[in-house]
Amino acid sequence: NAGVMQNPRHLVRRRGQEARLRCSPMKGHSHVYWYRQLPEEGLKFMVYLQKENIIDESGMPKERFSAEFPKEGPSILRIQQVVRGDSAAYFCASSLRAGGSYEQYFGPGTRLTVT
Amino acid sequence: RKEVEQDPGPFNVPEGATVAFNCTYSNSASQSFFWYRQDCRKEPKLLMSVYSSGNEDGRFTAQLNRASQYISLLIRDSKLSDSATYLCVVNRWDSGYALNFGKGTSLLVTP
Repeated sequence: NAGVMQNPRHLVRRRGQEARLRCSPMKGHSHVYWYRQLPEEGLKFMVYLQKENIIDESGMPKERFSAEFPKEGPSILRIQQVVRGDSAAYFCASSLRAGGSYEQYFGPGTRLTVT
Repeated sequence: RKEVEQDPGPFNVPEGATVAFNCTYSNSASQSFFWYRQDCRKEPKLLMSVYSSGNEDGRFTAQLNRASQYISLLIRDSKLSDSATYLCVVNRWDSGYALNFGKGTSLLVTP
């Protein structure tokens, strides 16, 4: 039973390029969460999605960041015009049911480096 | 003030020792509480949920004090494999879905 899958595991982008991070939830899970971990910092919530809907994006930066979870395929976190401050580990998590009280299973993360 | 605060450590203990981690949270609306473990900045993994009545899982015991807004984790008979960063995690009923993570406490168990 595959866990949460993320790809790529490592991504290098130059300033101004676009970064696309993919997340496939655990089988049977329809709730997806994205978190960011900056160097020497704790994980910070970014966005919560269900299929085709953004439920809570209170942690998303107002500009350049967007997320989607289409009916078919993985969830995508998109960062346009990346800057050095975007360098971080981006973790995706999924859960069987909605709500923070239910266990969220994390993927291995995508480490984004902006040069 | 940060929502979830932990002593960053590091805690260096010998094998077999008992070690305790503390965590405080600032928002009284907090509803659910967890300890996660993170190895070398890999993905966090749930260690245990924390209940008001306290709960135990083998060598690990977690306690919650809602009045003091304080959570603890006790590890008995430490193993080398317990070396990791322990994350205190809180979910508020009014934030719905977001898990709020502390920065973590680093533990190194030495032979």
